[in-house]
Amino acid sequence: DTAVSQTPKYLVTQMGNDKSIKCEQNLGHDTMYWYKQDSKKFLKIMFSYNNKELIINETVPNRFSPKSPDKAHLNLHINSLELGDSAVYFCASSQDRTDEKLFFGSGTQLSVL
Amino acid sequence: LAKTTQPISMDSYEGQEVNITCSHNNIATNDYITWYQQFPSQGPRFIIQGYKTKVTNEVASLFIPADRKSSTLSLPRVSLSDTAVYYCLVDRSFQKLVFGTGTRLLVSP
Repeated sequence: DTAVSQTPKYLVTQMGNDKSIKCEQNLGHDTMYWYKQDSKKFLKIMFSYNNKELIINETVPNRFSPKSPDKAHLNLHINSLELGDSAVYFCASSQDRTDEKLFFGSGTQLSVL
Repeated sequence: LAKTTQPISMDSYEGQEVNITCSHNNIATNDYITWYQQFPSQGPRFIIQGYKTKVTNEVASLFIPADRKSSTLSLPRVSLSDTAVYYCLVDRSFQKLVFGTGTRLLVSP
């Protein structure tokens, strides 16, 4: 079983559309994250949830809205997609908010046309 | 923020030992040093973590001098499958891990 799984793996869409990326972890971890990796391969944190509570919210446009229905799931909804949103989005989890050992998913490559 | 500096890229050959050094002059007293590995089209994978002196696991060794202003990730006898980007992280401010630019290691036959 995949520890951190995210779907879809690829997402191609038009500007202005709304899309969602789902993430699930079966590790029993308390903390989950969304990271964005741009074309230059810089990996930046976007959000972090601990037990369904938002604890980190970086300077991300409010078109991006994370939702955590339970501690095993952290979904990312993006409204009004823009060309600059094209990137690889990684979901990750850790035992708790202080644990630096993160487990990453395989990523969702988002292409906005 | 503790900023890290790593070489942008390194080249090696199969069977050689590879040492990747990371500078973190402003490391805080309570910061640990964590290394991740990222293969193309995959998410980063935790390799090793240490606070001081030396840590070894089945994948790599981590050497940290007494002043902790730098650290060296040592990969013994690399193979082609070790070709990846290696990230050194020390910043745990506000509970978030900050990834730098990483070191792109290319292992050739």
